[in-house]
Amino acid sequence: EPEVTQTPSHQVTQMGQEVILRCVPISNHLYFYWYRQILGQKVEFLVSFYNNEISEKSEIFDDQFSVERPDGSNFTLKIRSTKLEDSAMYFCASTEVLAKNIQYFGAGTRLSVL
Amino acid sequence: DAKTTQPTSMDCAEGRAANLPCNHSTISGNEYVYWYRQIHSQGPQYIIHGLKNNETNEMASLIITEDRKSSTLILPHATLRDTAVYYCIVQDDKIIFGKGTRLHILP
Repeated sequence: EPEVTQTPSHQVTQMGQEVILRCVPISNHLYFYWYRQILGQKVEFLVSFYNNEISEKSEIFDDQFSVERPDGSNFTLKIRSTKLEDSAMYFCASTEVLAKNIQYFGAGTRLSVL
Repeated sequence: DAKTTQPTSMDCAEGRAANLPCNHSTISGNEYVYWYRQIHSQGPQYIIHGLKNNETNEMASLIITEDRKSSTLILPHATLRDTAVYYCIVQDDKIIFGKGTRLHILP
């Protein structure tokens, strides 16, 4: 069964460093998403991406965040200068256009900012 | 904010049916009801969705009341692996996760 793949599974970084989280969505999907989940809290929407541009973003997704689809398979989330409060699980998801709310999630990347 | 209300937690004996309720009294005519679950530390997993008719798939059944103001997710024969947080979501354009129901399957 096709699945969304995220790498790395765990990323440790120093405060102020840039990190790039990587995702390979399901191959025929066209909508892509990033969510985050701070330990013990809800899963929070960050951004959606379609047709090579951001279609929607939350207020969490400030200027420190950016997303990119650098080639036909990868979808990345970059955090420019990490803060302690960016420590969380980050989930990538993808969906077919016609079934936008049936999203398939990756296993997540645990980001630890020290 | 989430448009749904769910109990914070529920217990169910292994092998029995788990019935998870959800209230969505402000649902509009074109909004679907979606259910997802999140097993500890994993990514959320889609379970089922429906508009107004009852739905069944290999994972669960979804019963939606006639007025569409509430629904119930049924796991017919719960196993220990069904222990998870279950989210009822009503949205027509994106997913907003609430706090969900923490379901404990008891051996």
